[in-house]
Amino acid sequence: KNEVEQSPQNLTAQEGEFITINCSYSVGISALHWLQQHPGGGIVSLFMLSSGKKKHGRLIATINIQEKHSSLHITASHPRDSAVYICAVTPPYGGATNKLIFGTGTLLAVQP
Amino acid sequence: DTEVTQTPKHLVMGMTNKKSLKCEQHMGHRAMYWYKQKAKKPPELMFVYSYEKLSINESVPSRFSPECPNSSLLNLHLHALQPEDSALYLCASSQGTSGGYTDTQYFGPGTRLTVL
Repeated sequence: KNEVEQSPQNLTAQEGEFITINCSYSVGISALHWLQQHPGGGIVSLFMLSSGKKKHGRLIATINIQEKHSSLHITASHPRDSAVYICAVTPPYGGATNKLIFGTGTLLAVQP
Repeated sequence: DTEVTQTPKHLVMGMTNKKSLKCEQHMGHRAMYWYKQKAKKPPELMFVYSYEKLSINESVPSRFSPECPNSSLLNLHLHALQPEDSALYLCASSQGTSGGYTDTQYFGPGTRLTVL
């Protein structure tokens, strides 16, 4: 069993829909990261959070430390949101050179 | 400037060639990372440099040789690679402050490597 699990693995949505991607982890963490990777491209860090909720534009990330669970929400989805979304966690000993433990990613396709 | 640049974008090499990948950042970050990513898989950490010193080597074969000549530059020297080494190689950097603070990592666009 992976230390970081994501669901769903694949998601197809219609433009405008509200999207939720889930991440569960089984290890202790100092932070959880949501990353976005477009096909063939580099990775962009969307959020880093250790508690509560963060919002940036149409993206919202929440984390429940007790339940070891995080969600990434996309409101009013758009075709340009189509990408792989990756959840990653930093172990508590991460420190200055923090290792990331990656989930397997969720491939999102938003159709016009 | 929050950009990490990588060159080249694409590289095709034979198994006997020697080549190098280059990564550069000008954000004053003191931690730099090399990752390898196979298709449809998450990135795998290869090396971490902290203050220009190698701090993590994830048991990477010696045909991959990292180098950090200064705080802005990270190289990955390649020699005698195998076809299974074909992958996207990603560089990242983070602030690298001490004291257990967890940093955001900034990723470059990657170098797509094909080994023939």
